[in-house]
Amino acid sequence: GNSVTQMEGPVTLSEEAFLTINCTYTATGYPSLFWYVQYPGEGLQLLLKATKADDKGSNKGFEATYRKETTSFHLEKGSVQVSDSAVYFCALTTNTGNQFYFGTGTSLTVIP
Amino acid sequence: DAGITQSPRYKITETGRQVTLMCHQTWSHSYMFWYRQDLGHGLRLIYYSAAADITDKGEVPDGYVVSRSKTENFPLTLESATRSQTSVYFCASQKREGMNEQFFGPGTRLTVL
Repeated sequence: GNSVTQMEGPVTLSEEAFLTINCTYTATGYPSLFWYVQYPGEGLQLLLKATKADDKGSNKGFEATYRKETTSFHLEKGSVQVSDSAVYFCALTTNTGNQFYFGTGTSLTVIP
Repeated sequence: DAGITQSPRYKITETGRQVTLMCHQTWSHSYMFWYRQDLGHGLRLIYYSAAADITDKGEVPDGYVVSRSKTENFPLTLESATRSQTSVYFCASQKREGMNEQFFGPGTRLTVL
């Protein structure tokens, strides 16, 4: 079946630290992979996506590379800011349906 | 204002009452979805709809009813609310079939006493 596993939180970092949030997946068919971000009190917003193997999605200094050989889509940012404090969700959808499969979310807090 | 909206944003109700959560989108997207978000579970799909008058169950449909008489609206009804349905509910839309992103509303925080 389809599923997403992402690292447990919460994660607390100092400003300007390097961020990695791990995400691995299992999928039938050929998945597209997504990272969504949820700021406090808001809905989810698309952060970045990748639709095929070796694609790199990037936005707002965040990056993630679609690694088919390791079934991973880890989120990285070189220097986090306080404004990056949010919950991050890894997700996939496949060409065999329209449902999205979300990870459980990783809460990030960045302290000055 | 264009986008996807949900109402109410906050709702407190009592066990056994019927509650309807509203979702409206202005993009004419074909697909619409209802999720619930609970700590430790992430987002779980309740129901989805591929078009007007076409709905299907998701992972956790029990205790919920949906309808979609118009493309832009996708209400979710809790026929007899239970405490286990206390959650944050998100509506989402997707332009068409295929691996396209979903767009989310701001959520409704529902408390069942």
